[in-house]
Amino acid sequence: KNEVEQSPQNLTAQEGEFITINCSYSVGISALHWLQQHPGGGIVSLFMLSSGKKKHGRLIATINIQEKHSSLHITASHPRDSAVYICAASPMNYGGSQGNLIFGKGTKLSVKP
Amino acid sequence: DSGVTQTPKHLITATGQRVTLRCSPRSGDLSVYWYQQSLDQGLQFLIHYYNGEERAKGNILERFSAQQFPDLHSELNLSSLELGDSALYFCASSVQGSYNEQFFGPGTRLTVL
Repeated sequence: KNEVEQSPQNLTAQEGEFITINCSYSVGISALHWLQQHPGGGIVSLFMLSSGKKKHGRLIATINIQEKHSSLHITASHPRDSAVYICAASPMNYGGSQGNLIFGKGTKLSVKP
Repeated sequence: DSGVTQTPKHLITATGQRVTLRCSPRSGDLSVYWYQQSLDQGLQFLIHYYNGEERAKGNILERFSAQQFPDLHSELNLSSLELGDSALYFCASSVQGSYNEQFFGPGTRLTVL
C-alpha cells in the first residue's frame, strides 16, 4: 500500500463543474502539498498546508490531520485546469531542514468545454 | 517561472554512459531536492541537500550521486546508464526544508537508448 493515495486516478468534467480530488496518507506529516503538472511536464506548487484550509482563486485545499485526509477543490472548472494534480506529503520523521516529499500517483483531470 | 533553472532540457545518450544534470535554485534558497519521474514509478524523491550538506536520501541508486556547491547550485551525476534510467529528472528548491514550499525546475528529460 502506498503511503499517499489519491482518488480518482482520472477525472473528466464539463466546464463549470465543481471538482474534488482526494488524498489520504498513512504517515505523520509536517505538511501536505498539492502540485499541478501540465502536459508539457512542468510542476507548479499550488498549496502547502499543515492544518485547516487555504484558498487561491478558484482553488481550495483542505486538510483533516486527525483523519489524515486532504482534498483539493476546483470551483467553476475551466479547460485550462486540465492537468495532473499530485498530492505529496512531507513526512514528520524528516524534521527541521531535512525535507523530502512522498508523492501520490496523481489525478489526471480533463475539463471539456 | 519558478526561478529554478535546470540544464539541459533534453539529454539523449546510450547505455553505459555517464551524464551530469545541473540545477540552480531560486535566489536565497538553501535546500535543493532531486526527484525522478518515470512512467511506471511516478515521482520519487532521490536526495536532499541543504547549504552544501546531504540531508536525506531516498530511492537513489548507487550509480547516481549528487552534490551541492558553495554557490548552492547542484549537480546530479548518473553513471553506467541503463534503459530504465530514462525519466524526467526534476530539481526543486526551498528556503530551508520540509516546512517550506518547494519550487520546481522545468526538469531534464533523459532518454537512454
